[in-house]
Amino acid sequence: GNSVTQMEGPVTLSEEAFLTINCTYTATGYPSLFWYVQYPGEGLQLLLKATKADDKGSNKGFEATYRKETTSFHLEKGSVQVSDSAVYFCALSPDYKLSFGAGTTVTVRA
Amino acid sequence: GAVVSQHPSRVICKSGTSVKIECRSLDFQATTMFWYRQFPKQSLMLMATSNEGSKATYEQGVEKDKFLINHASLTLSTLTVTSAHPEDSSFYICSAPLTDTQYFGPGTRLTVL
Repeated sequence: GNSVTQMEGPVTLSEEAFLTINCTYTATGYPSLFWYVQYPGEGLQLLLKATKADDKGSNKGFEATYRKETTSFHLEKGSVQVSDSAVYFCALSPDYKLSFGAGTTVTVRA
Repeated sequence: GAVVSQHPSRVICKSGTSVKIECRSLDFQATTMFWYRQFPKQSLMLMATSNEGSKATYEQGVEKDKFLINHASLTLSTLTVTSAHPEDSSFYICSAPLTDTQYFGPGTRLTVL
């Protein structure tokens, strides 16, 4: 079956620090990979996605590359801001059904 | 962007009662919606796929008689937790797809006393 394992949090960083959240997956076939973000009090929002191997998704300074050889989709941002404080979910989907990781809470301090 | 709403955002009920949660796509139509459940510090687990005009499809291990889903229109799906018990307390989230992106509601926190 499909499953996603992501780095446990919480993660606390200072502004302008480098952020990385590890995500690995197990899947049959070639699923699409996603990072969703949930800001306090809001619903999940798509942050970025990649649909095939070696694709790089990027948005709002965040990046993640679909690595088939290591079955990974690690999220990175070079310089975080306080407004990046949120819960980040890695997910995969062979179709519209999403399988999520446990979520990683990130807190950025000024 | 597309917006999905849920109502109520929080509900507290007594054990044995039924609770209805609504999921609406506000500015687009969705023939399919999805219901997820999230336990504290755990990932979202897909419960069922709600299909407009036909029966919902439930994931393995989800009791369809306990979690009744009705997709009444192209913008509304409802989840009714019947005869709720404390173990049903959880965070319920719906989503609706538009083109190739899933849009999520803000979630409903259910507490069963």
